[in-house]
Parts: sequence; C-alpha cells; structure tokens
Amino acid sequence: AQKITQTQPGMFVQEKEAVTLDCTYDTSDQSYGLFWYKQPSSGEMIFLIYQGSYDEQNATEGRYSLNFQKARKSANLVISASQLGDSAMYFCAMRGPNTGNQFYFGTGTSLTVIP
Amino acid sequence: EAQVTQNPRYLITVTGKKLTVTCSQNMNHEYMSWYRQDPGLGLRQIYYSMNVEVTDKGDVPEGYKVSRKEKRNFPLILESPSPNQTSLYFCASSLVRRVGGSDTQYFGPGTRLTVL
Repeated sequence: AQKITQTQPGMFVQEKEAVTLDCTYDTSDQSYGLFWYKQPSSGEMIFLIYQGSYDEQNATEGRYSLNFQKARKSANLVISASQLGDSAMYFCAMRGPNTGNQFYFGTGTSLTVIP
Repeated sequence: EAQVTQNPRYLITVTGKKLTVTCSQNMNHEYMSWYRQDPGLGLRQIYYSMNVEVTDKGDVPEGYKVSRKEKRNFPLILESPSPNQTSLYFCASSLVRRVGGSDTQYFGPGTRLTVL
C-alpha cells in the first residue's frame, strides 16, 4: 500500500528564514511521482513542485526546492526566504503506476510565518 | 483559461436528501478524481476515473456515487447524505500518468458541504 507521512502538524518560521517541511513515503513502485501542494486559508489547492523518482537532481521552483532522498524515501519541501504569504497548509502527495494512477496525500503541515 | 469548476461552492442540506455536486474541466484530461478533506486526515480519495465510462473506488467510497459519461464532467452524487459526510470536497483532473511525466492534478475550488 502507498503511504505518505507528514510528521509535523504545525510549524513556525520567522519571516525571511528558510524552513523545511518533512515528508516520507512508502511504496514498492520503482517509478512514481512526488508532489507538494499549498492550501492557503482561502481553501484552494495550489501545485508547488514535482519530483520524479528517476530524477537525479532535486526539483526547484523559485523559492521552493524538494530535498529528495530516494534511499530514505523522503521528499522534504524547503521554502527559502519565507514570506507572510507562505502561511498555509502544505500537503505532500505521491502518485504511482501500480495503484491506478491514484494520488495519495499526507495529513498536511500547517506553516505559520511570523513577522 | 484552463480550469476545474465545481458547483455549488457551499451547500447546506438535511439528512437523506439526494444531492449532486458537479465537476467540469476544460483541459481534456483523462483522469478525474474526487476527494474529501477533513481536519487531521488530509485529502482522502473517494472515486476516480481514468476515462469515459471507467470509474474506480478510492479509499472512502461508501455513501457516494459517480459517473463519467463525458470526458469533461465527473459529478459526485450523494444518494442519501448523512452528517458524517459533512466535509470539504475537491474535484481534480490530470493527464494519466506517463513514466517521467509530472502530470500534476489541477483542483477545483472546493465545495463545502454541511449535512444536518
């Protein structure tokens, strides 16, 4: 069974500092995709970043980077230079080929950026 | 504009009164899915569809029905809603995953359902 674990229910970070949100996953698939989504208080789900299991380099998208450690099955999101607008829920998700293309989500981490 | 639309955005209903939440996407995506989001539980998949007339159960399908008669539409039907179905519901769509493809999901704005 696929499983995503986010162990940090809530995190605080000072504005302009970097923060790491943890995500570990469990899968027997060799080919899979890892995703991070942001959900601000307004409720919409916003795609942030993607990492493929065969990608050798860590994904980056602006201030977001994904620290992918395949052997440890971790896919941590790093947000650099935090801004007040980064305060939101963050969800890690995984998609693999052996489960009908289903996406599996973690329980989320609530990030609060402190001015 | 590429988007996933859901209607209604907010709905308050009573136990047992059948309801339908519509979902439509304009990106020609094969894959569509419904999730419910509850505090502390993240997003849990209700049903998904790989293409027209192909639907499969997700992790929490009890009490829900779906249909996929057209590629763009994927309505969620609650035949006899109960209070434990009070939740935030998201529809999403994507391309079917190909090896090496990013194929992220695009989410609708969400439907907040309250069943009294």
